[in-house]
Amino acid sequence: DAGVIQSPRHEVTEMGQEVTLRCKPISGHDYLFWYRQTMMRGLELLIYFNNNVPIDDSGMPEDRFSAKMPNASFSTLKIQPSEPRDSAVYFCASSPGLAGAQTQYFGPGTRLLVL
Amino acid sequence: EDKVVQSPLSLVVHEGDTVTLNCSYEVTNFRSLLWYKQEKKAPTFLFMLTSSGIEKKSGRLSSILDKKELFSILNITATQTGDSAVYLCAGRGGKSSGDKLTFGTGTRLAVRP
Repeated sequence: DAGVIQSPRHEVTEMGQEVTLRCKPISGHDYLFWYRQTMMRGLELLIYFNNNVPIDDSGMPEDRFSAKMPNASFSTLKIQPSEPRDSAVYFCASSPGLAGAQTQYFGPGTRLLVL
Repeated sequence: EDKVVQSPLSLVVHEGDTVTLNCSYEVTNFRSLLWYKQEKKAPTFLFMLTSSGIEKKSGRLSSILDKKELFSILNITATQTGDSAVYLCAGRGGKSSGDKLTFGTGTRLAVRP
């Protein structure tokens, strides 16, 4: 299995631009999570999905952030408009679900720099 | 609000030393506690602890959970330079909280030759 796949791996953009991060979870995993990691705040959960349905988006910083999961094998996290304080590493993770969940498997992350 | 606190924030030791990393948690409908190791990339899973007092062991690493005092420790014996990483602790909420993980800010461990 290829594991969780994220793209792009690095993104540099200018303030005000739209940024779209992509994630392909491990096949068969029912849960998908988006995290943001910064030096100041550590790893923070932004939103998670169960069977493609958003369950908890209380971690999404503000309306500039949105996430979708149109099918079981794809999710996006969009920032519009982006701001310098959004600079961070964004991780996507998936897990096989409550019944058999042992852990979350993380993707390699997208390093975002907003100038 | 769920909270996970790790200590120390950073630690520098020499190869061969034994280290103990601490994690305290306040998690609604607590289900389990997880430890991850993060080097220069994504976190990788180490342990999941569900029951108090039962030590989990993997090579030189071991971990135990105390659900009464709401903390866990991660021990690394005979440390090696390859153990240098950030160690993350996360508390997992129960079914009514979905499968949320709340992470601590991590302990940065540096092992010197």
